[in-house]
Amino acid sequence: AQSVTQPDIHITVSEGASLELRCNYSYGATPYLFWYVQSPGQGLQLLLKYFSGDTLVQGIKGFEAEFKRSQSSFNLRKPSVHWSDAAEYFCAVGAIGGYQKVTFGIGTKLQVIP
Amino acid sequence: GAVVSQHPSWVICKSGTSVKIECRSLDFQATTMFWYRQFPKQSLMLMATSNEGSKATYEQGVEKDKFLINHASLTLSTLTVTSAHPEDSSFYICSAEDRGHNGELFFGEGSRLTVL
Repeated sequence: AQSVTQPDIHITVSEGASLELRCNYSYGATPYLFWYVQSPGQGLQLLLKYFSGDTLVQGIKGFEAEFKRSQSSFNLRKPSVHWSDAAEYFCAVGAIGGYQKVTFGIGTKLQVIP
Repeated sequence: GAVVSQHPSWVICKSGTSVKIECRSLDFQATTMFWYRQFPKQSLMLMATSNEGSKATYEQGVEKDKFLINHASLTLSTLTVTSAHPEDSSFYICSAEDRGHNGELFFGEGSRLTVL
């Protein structure tokens, strides 16, 4: 069965600082990997996804993530955080077929301080 | 991107009553929708897959008689929590598969259910 681990439940960064959110997955085959963001009272929005090809994936809002098969990781990064990035971030892994049967991590809550 | 809307955003009900939550795809047709449950400080757990015109497929451990799902049209799926109890209090989120966007999932805003 597939699973996702997000080891950091809560992270606080200063505005303008760089950000890295960690994600490790467990899946028996080539995974489909996703990062979603959830703002308070909002649904989930897809930031970026990895299906195949280039292991460094660019997403919306200046985010990127790198797939490292040897480490079973898909960490999310942003070079300079903005106050509007404060939200909860979910890493997810999908089974064959892409988007369906997506398993989510527990989420990392990001706080941005001035 | 495509828009999915859930209603109501929050609902409070008495124990023993039933509550219906709607999930609508506003600008695309969705033959497949998904219902999730999110506990505080926990991940989203897939409850069931809702297929237009057919019975929903429930995940292991989810009571189908407790959580009734109806997907009668290509833009609407409903989740009815029957005979609600306080332990059913949770955040329920739906998503809809947009085949016009390579099957990408678009999520609703979520519905907060509190059972007294």
